[in-house]
Amino acid sequence: DQQVKQNSPSLSVQEGRISILNCDYTNSMFDYFLWYKKYPAEGPTFLISISSIKDKNEDGRFTVFLNKSAKHLSLHIVPSQPGDSAVYFCAYSGGGADGLTFGKGTHLIIQP
Amino acid sequence: NAGVTQTPKFQVLKTGQSMTLQCAQDMNHNSMYWYRQDPGMGLRLIYYSASEGTTDKGEVPNGYNVSRLNKREFSLRLESAAPSQTSVYFCASSVWTGHQPQHFGDGTRLSIL
Repeated sequence: DQQVKQNSPSLSVQEGRISILNCDYTNSMFDYFLWYKKYPAEGPTFLISISSIKDKNEDGRFTVFLNKSAKHLSLHIVPSQPGDSAVYFCAYSGGGADGLTFGKGTHLIIQP
Repeated sequence: NAGVTQTPKFQVLKTGQSMTLQCAQDMNHNSMYWYRQDPGMGLRLIYYSASEGTTDKGEVPNGYNVSRLNKREFSLRLESAAPSQTSVYFCASSVWTGHQPQHFGDGTRLSIL
């Protein structure tokens, strides 16, 4: 079974700087990874995704990088803004019918 | 746009009581899901419905049942609530299963005493 691991429970970044959130996975298969953002008392919101046939995907201030040899992906937010303060989840989709596999999340705090 | 609507938002139950969590989506999505999130954990899949008329177990189905009432609605039932089922429950939907982003409701916070 695929596992996704987010090893940093929290990350503090100064406003305007780059935020880098990391995620590791265990199995090398045809993969599709997604990043979700979650505010307190709300459901997760889809941010950006990447297929294993790509190395990079960009959407505005958000870029996701996939390093298949290292089984690692990262989400870059540039520049970081106060509204980016939230919990970020890395998730894996195996392409089947059985939903997403989530990491434990990283709490990003943007300092003024 | 309501998206995915979950009711209730909060509920407190006593051990052994039963309850149904409701979920409805207005995006004409075919697939729907129920997850639970415990403190310090990611979301874990309880049950899913790939399309109307089908349901399947996810990672943590024990103690739960589901009903896909129609294309819009997917309910989760706790027949005999246990303290271990204290959690935040999220419903989600997607156009289809597979490599599709899922859209989530705002959750139901359930406490079992």
